[in-house]
Amino acid sequence: GAVVSQHPSRVICKSGTSVKIECRSLDFQATTMFWYRQFPKQSLMLMATSNEGSKATYEQGVEKDKFLINHASLTLSTLTVTSAHPEDSSFYICSARDRSRGRVHGYTFGSGTRLTVV
Amino acid sequence: AQKITQTQPGMFVQEKEAVTLDCTYDTSDQSYGLFWYKQPSSGEMIFLIYQGSYDEQNATEGRYSLNFQKARKSANLVISASQLGDSAMYFCAMSPIKAAGNKLTFGGGTRVLVKP
Repeated sequence: GAVVSQHPSRVICKSGTSVKIECRSLDFQATTMFWYRQFPKQSLMLMATSNEGSKATYEQGVEKDKFLINHASLTLSTLTVTSAHPEDSSFYICSARDRSRGRVHGYTFGSGTRLTVV
Repeated sequence: AQKITQTQPGMFVQEKEAVTLDCTYDTSDQSYGLFWYKQPSSGEMIFLIYQGSYDEQNATEGRYSLNFQKARKSANLVISASQLGDSAMYFCAMSPIKAAGNKLTFGGGTRVLVKP
């Protein structure tokens, strides 16, 4: 089946530094990638939608200059948290859309990245 | 805009018993899909079951079944014969069926704890 590899699984960084999270679709072409943020014991909140080769579409309230998304190829999308602060600590998870698998099984999630900013 | 509501923040269920997780939704789209995902403590999202808005029959996948009541805009998940491994967070989600977009909107989730 479709697999999305997300790295790193855990990262601890100092306040003020930047962190890059990668999501790779291993056996399919991800024309669309969704990035979610999840606080402890809460739901997944969509941050942005990216389509290969075009700029990401950010949800209302999400700072695009702080959360940089790049979807330069059909198999790789990255989320960079710039100038991270403790309030950015969260669980970030990506989901790749594989249209060839139809609407039912077309969403494949990465395993998530737990970011802790100290 | 789409909205998913899960009113049960947490539930206990006895092993081998059935449990129903509630999900109601609101959307202006005529065609949409409803999903249920399981998220264990490891954080991964596991797809469980899908129901299309025009599907006439309720979806079933093994021990999972979806009680779809379109007029009530509800899509409850029924887990039969609960197992200890079913302890996890469960999310209801929906997406419009369109040529573009198709982003998933999630409900707040229900934490299920299966007791031996």
